[in-house]
Parts: sequence; structure tokens; C-alpha cells
Amino acid sequence: GAGVSQSPSNKVTEKGKDVELRCDPISGHTALYWYRQSLGQGLEFLIYFQGNSAPDKSGLPSDRFSAERTGGSVSTLTIQRTQQEDSAVYLCASSRTRDINNEQFFGPGTRLTVL
Amino acid sequence: SQELEQSPQSLIVQEGKNLTINCTSSKTLYGLYWYKQKYGEGLIFLMMLQKGGEEKSHEKITAKLDEKKQQSSLHITASQPSHAGIYLCGADLYNFNKFYFGSGTKLNVKP
Repeated sequence: GAGVSQSPSNKVTEKGKDVELRCDPISGHTALYWYRQSLGQGLEFLIYFQGNSAPDKSGLPSDRFSAERTGGSVSTLTIQRTQQEDSAVYLCASSRTRDINNEQFFGPGTRLTVL
Repeated sequence: SQELEQSPQSLIVQEGKNLTINCTSSKTLYGLYWYKQKYGEGLIFLMMLQKGGEEKSHEKITAKLDEKKQQSSLHITASQPSHAGIYLCGADLYNFNKFYFGSGTKLNVKP
């Protein structure tokens, strides 16, 4: 079916507001990843889900960031009390499993701008 | 991430020239992935290497993983404007609960 989808594609918010970013992985993919890409930078790993479980949350930049995944499918990344330094493109990816030999398929990203 | 060093950071070549991008880690690369990102677009998977000494090619792009599995190179032969973009290496390292990307190499190909 379709590839990885993310919504919204663009989000402009005011400093201090909460935002919620959504990721719909490819159907049947058990592994889901969130990354952040700041302007002109590489990808910063945030968190990975195997099914609904995130084994390691230490990649989240601060306690204002949280993520969940339900039903082994859709995932949401929530940023509370947004700051200007949160402005970036947030990318989601999924893979069939977490084995080494599985490429990640990336969504188009959500561009977040915090004013 | 600092676990993966990519070089060069940027590259401008004349169309038709060959070029090489490197990705290096101080730790064992259990799986090394090359992706391309066109400006303003998502990441496209190019190739994945797993075994020491492995080499894969697709069209004019060849990727290699060294025997020690700590360095990979991406070589483009007879570059074209369509090769322009950001090339990123990604890898499974010691912590399988994370995934690591290099900082990327920005390639411009002048017609």
C-alpha cells in the first residue's frame, strides 16, 4: 500500500504551546523511528518503537518530548511548551522488523516552526 | 551523530567527474545504510552493506564496506546533475535500541 505518511506537513506554533505530530507507518511494519533534522544538519535519532514498546527513551532531547504508539501502528510525538530550538523537520520511518537487514522507509516529514 | 563521521561535508563537482564520500566509525558497523535526500524531500534508500569487504553497485553508484567494518565509501562514477543532493550514511552500532546517522554530504554537480 501507501508509504509512510506524516501529518501535518507543516506546523507553525507559538512558543509555549504544545504540538502533536503524527506518523502512519507502512502496514505490517513492526518497527517505527522518529528523527529530527535541524536546518542543514544530519538526522538526530529520537526514539524507536518495536510494536508499542520503546526500549530506550534517552534520545528524546528533554522531558518536554514524549512519544507513544498504539495498536502497533500509528505513532504520535508530542512536544510540550515548545521552544524556538524545537524548530526542525521531524521525520518518521518504519521498517518490517528491527533486524539489521531491514531498510527504513521514511515519511516526508513535518516541518515545525516555533515563533 | 559523532559515532559516524562523514566526509567531505560538501562537494561540488563538474558533470562527468567521479567522486567518493566516506563514512567512518570507531565502532563496528553491524549494518551500514546509504540514503540520499533531495533538497526539501524525504530520504531515499540506496544500498545496505553488512559483511566486511562487501561491495554493491546500482547504476553508477558503488558502495563498499571495509574488511574491519568500520568504514564505508560511496563512489559515483561519471556524475550527473541528477546525483545532486545530500548523501547520508546510517548504521547499526553497539546499541540496537538506537540508529545512528552521519551528518551528511551535500553534493552539487555542475552541468
